[in-house]
Amino acid sequence: GQNIDQPTEMTATEGAIVQINCTYQTSGFNGLFWYQQHAGEAPTFLSYNVLDGLEEKGRFSSFLSRSKGYSYLLLKELQMKDSASYLCAVMDSNYQLIWGAGTKLIIKP
Amino acid sequence: GAVVSQHPSRVICKSGTSVKIECRSLDFQATTMFWYRQFPKQSLMLMATSNEGSKATYEQGVEKDKFLINHASLTLSTLTVTSAHPEDSSFYICSARDQTGEAQPQHFGDGTRLSIL
Repeated sequence: GQNIDQPTEMTATEGAIVQINCTYQTSGFNGLFWYQQHAGEAPTFLSYNVLDGLEEKGRFSSFLSRSKGYSYLLLKELQMKDSASYLCAVMDSNYQLIWGAGTKLIIKP
Repeated sequence: GAVVSQHPSRVICKSGTSVKIECRSLDFQATTMFWYRQFPKQSLMLMATSNEGSKATYEQGVEKDKFLINHASLTLSTLTVTSAHPEDSSFYICSARDQTGEAQPQHFGDGTRLSIL
């Protein structure tokens, strides 16, 4: 079966760095997406990785290792507004998105 | 950037009412749109995939006759919750993917919060 695993909840301090991991087992791979979802709102697109390596976009970076079925989202210089759920999703061989359950990130002052 | 508009943002209505939700891609054409449902503190659940000009593909356990989907153009898909009941109360979110490539991110509308009394 297809499976996406990410931690349920993480806590970090304002100004610090946090890494949210995602491991996956899917039938085929056409890329991995990270989304941010604030409570009561729809998800917003953060990043897309299809090749191995690190993609940097401002304070957010996303890493992919296809051989390990592994990705992480790195958030630097954390701000209170970064408190949200972070969703990992993998596009399988049929170009369907398989969603993880999301990681709730709590930022403390 | 890609923008998806979803309307209405909130609906409160009596049990037995049918509710129509619209999802529009504003600056791109979307052959495929997706309808999700999310209950409080739970993950996104895909309900159906809406294909322009053809029948929607429903996920297992989702009633086709209750959740009617129409994707009449490349920029508009609608979801109608027929004869809604309190257990249908949820956050409904649509997303659309730019038709220029399959490996494109899905862009989400702002969601519709449906409350059935």
